Amino acid sequence: QQPVQSPQAVILREGEDAVINCSSSKALYSVHWYRQKHGEAPVFLMILLKGGEQKGHEKISASFNEKKQQSSLYLTASQLSYSGTYFCGTRGAAGNKLTFGGGTRVLVKP
Amino acid sequence: NAGVTQTPKFQVLKTGQSMTLQCAQDMNHEYMSWYRQDPGMGLRLIHYSVGAGITDQGEVPNGYNVSRSTTEDFPLRLLSAAPSQTSVYFCASSYLTIQSGYTFGSGTRLTVV
Repeated sequence: QQPVQSPQAVILREGEDAVINCSSSKALYSVHWYRQKHGEAPVFLMILLKGGEQKGHEKISASFNEKKQQSSLYLTASQLSYSGTYFCGTRGAAGNKLTFGGGTRVLVKP
Repeated sequence: NAGVTQTPKFQVLKTGQSMTLQCAQDMNHEYMSWYRQDPGMGLRLIHYSVGAGITDQGEVPNGYNVSRSTTEDFPLRLLSAAPSQTSVYFCASSYLTIQSGYTFGSGTRLTVV
């Protein structure tokens, strides 16, 4: 089943913070996060493994709560370059294939 | 360092025609996959491969075939194109290690009329 992302869209002013959530009904082994700019390919941001670790990429960080089967992506002090669509991809215990959520559109305005 | 190369970038097909979308990677990745992206639907897995000679179906395999004769190449064949296959197709590859993220190709925008 496809993981559920929320919100579907968010508009921010430069410097503001936002949280994007990704929830699954299945047990998760890892969660990936990607950002896609309009007309471009998705770009890998980070991966989180079982264990609830938090990771960071610039001022973007993420956490993974394996008990809740949920991951959250934190955009801190957002910059114009953070605009794009963010996708989470989830992986169960078996195999390498990722199932992606429907995406969250982020627009950062000056 | 080309990464993942997809060709063609754009293609228009008539209903019933067949074609092959090409995907090649030069990173020695074991894992390769094909996704389609439709507006509001995110990325849906069509087929994937964990190595040469090994392929498996994803969520939406109907109407598509794949083969993996080499580590580098993973072509996607549309057998008889239908308007429902109008989409943007992405090829992605990675190492098989659990900490490996995907590298995506730049995509093929396919229109079936």
